[in-house]
Parts: sequence; C-alpha cells; structure tokens
Amino acid sequence: SAVISQKPSRDICQRGTSLTIQCQVDSQVTMMFWYRQQPGQSLTLIATANQGSEATYESGFVIDKFPISRPNLTFSTLTVSNMSPEDSSIYLCSVEGSSTYEQYFGPGTRLTVT
Amino acid sequence: QKEVEQNSGPLSVPEGAIASLNCTYSDRGSQSFFWYRQYSGKSPELIMFIYSNGDKEDGRFTAQLNKASQYVSLLIRDSQPSDSATYLCAVHVAGANNLFFGTGTRLTVIP
Repeated sequence: SAVISQKPSRDICQRGTSLTIQCQVDSQVTMMFWYRQQPGQSLTLIATANQGSEATYESGFVIDKFPISRPNLTFSTLTVSNMSPEDSSIYLCSVEGSSTYEQYFGPGTRLTVT
Repeated sequence: QKEVEQNSGPLSVPEGAIASLNCTYSDRGSQSFFWYRQYSGKSPELIMFIYSNGDKEDGRFTAQLNKASQYVSLLIRDSQPSDSATYLCAVHVAGANNLFFGTGTRLTVIP
C-alpha cells in the first residue's frame, strides 16, 4: 500500500482564518479523497480529487469553503476557509488502491478552531 | 441513498473469544466490501476485503459475505486486547468513485 503523509498533524486556529492541509503520497495515484471525522463519528466524504480536473464535492460541502488543489499525481491540498468552531475535526486524505477500490488513509490532521 | 448500517456497540468480548461484527448495506449494486480498524486517535487501517459470497480468511480474521441478504460480517478469533478498536465497514457500489462507510462498531476485548 502507498505511504501517505499529511501536514500539519494538528493545529489550533482562530475563528475566521484559513488552514491548508497537505497530503503527499509516495507513488502516483489517480484518485485522492478528503474526509472529515468529528469526534466519535464516522467518516464524511468532503470531495474527490482527480489530477487535472476540478474536485467533485459531496452534498453539504462547497468549493468556496473547502477549496482543493491536485497539481500532480502525488500531492493534494485541502483548505478550510473562514473557519468556525464547527470546523473542528480530524481531516483525512486517502488514496485509492491499485486495483480493487480499497482506500488507504493518511495519518490525519487534527484541527481545533477557537 | 447508499446506506451502510452497523451496530455502534460497544461490543465487549473476553480475551480469547470470537468477536462478531456485522454490517448491512442497502444498495444491491454493491460489489466490493471492506473492513477497516481504527484505533483511538489514529486513522483507519484496511484489514480485510471481500468480493465474492462466502468466507475469506486471513489469520485470525474471517470476512463473510452474503449478497442475497446484503450482509457482510467480520469474525475475529482468539480476540486479544490489542483488537480493541472501532471497526468500520465500507462498501463500493458499481459506478461510484468512492466508498460508503458505516458508522463503525466499537469493540472492547476484556483481558
């Protein structure tokens, strides 16, 4: 499976500011995904990011709030814009496996908004 | 709507027992099924996947799939305290790019 890293691992941010989370993979992958996981909850898909095309957002998530970049096949960023305390969560990136639709997750970014 | 249902638990089993985790799904177009383990404070880790009806064994883990009943389960034999975690069921539906996750079952193995 791919080795995935995320930066930062955690951050505490002030209301109204923005944070960009980076996701780096050690091999080229077509599909990358961004999830949010609030404490004690399951995973909520924010968007799917393909290299060379606009990200596809799930219901309830919009590009203005969660802009995503996917400049190449090993890297993606998710920005959480104009943050509020409700954005406090763990943000996870994942990549699709080579052949069977499985996904592998990065270590996550724990965001606290004060 | 593609629903994946799991009992939230917590499920408690004594050390050495068999833990049985269950998952049902609503979309008959579901083709691939995955079990993830998530330790507290960590990200999900893929432990098993199954595509065909029947059982698939990997060490102490057995995944069972029954497409007619839209049911997939994970059995953990000889449960260890280190198996204590939340187990997430995920489903891939034909034509979709992403997986659909259940809410997870929290398992506690009591020494």
